Amino acid sequence: SQTIHQWPATLVQPVGSPLSLECTVEGTSNPNLYWYRQAAGRGLQLLFYSVGIGQISSEVPQNLSASRPQDRQFILSSKKLLLSDSGFYLCAWSREGADTQYFGPGTRLTVL
Amino acid sequence: LAKTTQPISMDSYEGQEVNITCSHNNIATNDYITWYQQFPSQGPRFIIQGYKTKVTNEVASLFIPADRKSSTLSLPRVSLSDTAVYYCLVGVSGGYQKVTFGIGTKLQVIP
Repeated sequence: SQTIHQWPATLVQPVGSPLSLECTVEGTSNPNLYWYRQAAGRGLQLLFYSVGIGQISSEVPQNLSASRPQDRQFILSSKKLLLSDSGFYLCAWSREGADTQYFGPGTRLTVL
Repeated sequence: LAKTTQPISMDSYEGQEVNITCSHNNIATNDYITWYQQFPSQGPRFIIQGYKTKVTNEVASLFIPADRKSSTLSLPRVSLSDTAVYYCLVGVSGGYQKVTFGIGTKLQVIP
């Protein structure tokens, strides 16, 4: 069976500090991978998606970036966090050519 | 991508059937309709997907009229554990890289 992991589960960071959130998927090959952000009381905002190693599409211009160094690893990064980066970050995967997305447990980021 | 419109919130008593309707007036011929459920501090979870008429699984039913401009998610006999946010999504099956999860419908089940 497939599983998706995210870490850390919670994170408190000062403004201007760097960020690295990691997501890994087990039990499948060549998945589509996604990063979403959900602000308090808001819907999910698609940030990045990837259809393969090194292939990243950005949906929203911002100070965040994503990388996919391995087939089942997806990393969300920032060089300098802003207060507005606070939120619930979700990683998701879908099978190649399929649309149903499976979400990870999420990381709650608070920028102070 | 077809835009969807759902009620922001709904309340229901335990044991009742709940119907959440989603409008998608500009749905394309190849678009499917998918519903997800999200509990607080968790990621959304796939509930059901359909193209036309009626689809039923162990969790819910999805009713889609002939014109496909709307769809209704039906939850039979809800319990307190069904309190969650429900999202309606419309997009091409198999080409779903870009999806938009709106605000969804916050369902509150009351004892």
